Amino acid sequence: GESVGLHLPTLSVQEGDNSIINCAYSNSASDYFIWYKQESGKGPQFIIDIRSNMDKRQGQRVTVLLNKTVKHLSLQIAATQPGDSAVYFCAEILLSGGYNKLIFGAGTRLAVHP
Amino acid sequence: DTAVSQTPKYLVTQMGNDKSIKCEQNLGHDTMYWYKQDSKKFLKIMFSYNNKELIINETVPNRFSPKSPDKAHLNLHINSLELGDSAVYFCASSQDLRTDNEQFFGPGTRLTVL
Repeated sequence: GESVGLHLPTLSVQEGDNSIINCAYSNSASDYFIWYKQESGKGPQFIIDIRSNMDKRQGQRVTVLLNKTVKHLSLQIAATQPGDSAVYFCAEILLSGGYNKLIFGAGTRLAVHP
Repeated sequence: DTAVSQTPKYLVTQMGNDKSIKCEQNLGHDTMYWYKQDSKKFLKIMFSYNNKELIINETVPNRFSPKSPDKAHLNLHINSLELGDSAVYFCASSQDLRTDNEQFFGPGTRLTVL
C-alpha cells in the first residue's frame, strides 16, 4: 500500500550533537524522496531531496542517505542547534493515476536541549 | 511578500455549518494542493489542481469542494462540517506537475469543529 513510516516518533538530543532521523518507505517504485521540516505553527518546509539513483546527498549541515535495498531513508543533522527543533517528515513521490503525489511519513519530533 | 498565504489562520465553527478557506500564491506556479494534517501530525493530500484543472482527488467526501478561480488561487469549501473535519489544512503550490518541483506550503488553517 501507500505508506512511508518512521522508526522514532520523538528524538531528544543535546545542542551540538549530531541527529539522525530514520524513515522506512514501502513503495519500491518510488524514485524521489524529500525531507521536510515543520516548525510549530508553520507549514512544512523543504530541507533536502534525493533521487533513487543516488545513495547520499549533502546540504548545509544536513545529509540524506538512501538505502534502496531495505527501503530506508535517513536524515543526518550535524551540530544540532535549538533552531532545528521541529517535526521532520520524510516523503516519497508516488505515481498515481498518471500523476505524481507526495506521500508523507508520520513524522519525528526533534527536541534539542541546551 | 508571502509566497503562499491562507485565510483564516484559525476557524472555529459548529457542526453542520458551511465554511471556506482561501489560498493564494504569488509565485506564478501552475499547480496547487490542499493537504489535511490530523491531530497526530499525519499529513495527507486531498486535492491538486493544475492550471485550474482538478488533477488529484483523494477520495475526499464530496462535502469538500475545491474551487480554483485562477491559477493563483485555490479555495476549499466545506459543507455540513463534522467533528472529524477538525484538523490543520495546508495549501501548497509547485511550479508544475513535474516530480522534482518543490512544493511550497502555506502557514496552515486550524479548523476546529464543535
